[in-house]
Amino acid sequence: GDSVTQMEGPVTLSEEAFLTINCTYTATGYPSLFWYVQYPGEGLQLLLKATKADDKGSNKGFEATYRKETTSFHLEKGSVQVSDSAVYFCALTIMNRDDKIIFGKGTRLHILP
Amino acid sequence: KAGVTQTPRYLIKTRGQQVTLSCSPISGHRSVSWYQQTPGQGLQFLFEYFSETQRNKGNFPGRFSGRQFSNSRSEMNVSTLELGDSALYLCASRVGEDTGELFFGEGSRLTVL
Repeated sequence: GDSVTQMEGPVTLSEEAFLTINCTYTATGYPSLFWYVQYPGEGLQLLLKATKADDKGSNKGFEATYRKETTSFHLEKGSVQVSDSAVYFCALTIMNRDDKIIFGKGTRLHILP
Repeated sequence: KAGVTQTPRYLIKTRGQQVTLSCSPISGHRSVSWYQQTPGQGLQFLFEYFSETQRNKGNFPGRFSGRQFSNSRSEMNVSTLELGDSALYLCASRVGEDTGELFFGEGSRLTVL
């Protein structure tokens, strides 16, 4: 079945470090891919998305490129801030099939000042 | 525009009791999904309702049930509570069943003693 695999956390970085959170997927069909972020005490919110191969989603300094050849959608940021500390979820959905949204287990990110 | 509203935010129950959680989606959103979030299992899909019909269902026992009303508001019910049901229950809405972006509420944190 369809699935999303993310790197295990927690990930701890110093402020201004470069961030990569790996995400790979398995899907039959052509998924749309998403990154959601959950700040402490809050629900999830959409961070960025890409709907077809080679699309790049970007928001708040974060970027992810839809790589069909490697079935990946890695999240990157060039210089993280303490305020980026949160849990990040990679997700996919296949439109016009069952439209179910499948989430990875989440990666907790700690940024040290 | 008001966001997704979940009530209650926190509740404590004892084993064997039942609980009902409520979710009011964003105005105009017809699809409501429910997720269970725990530290060990991450984010697990419970079910999705669209126009009062259950459209998708996750792999949870029959003790977990839900419904959606004509105004798109949704409730989920858990009967015969077990200790393992302690979790954050998140509700999410989207405009329609074929749009990928979910808007999440802040969740209802259930503790079962």
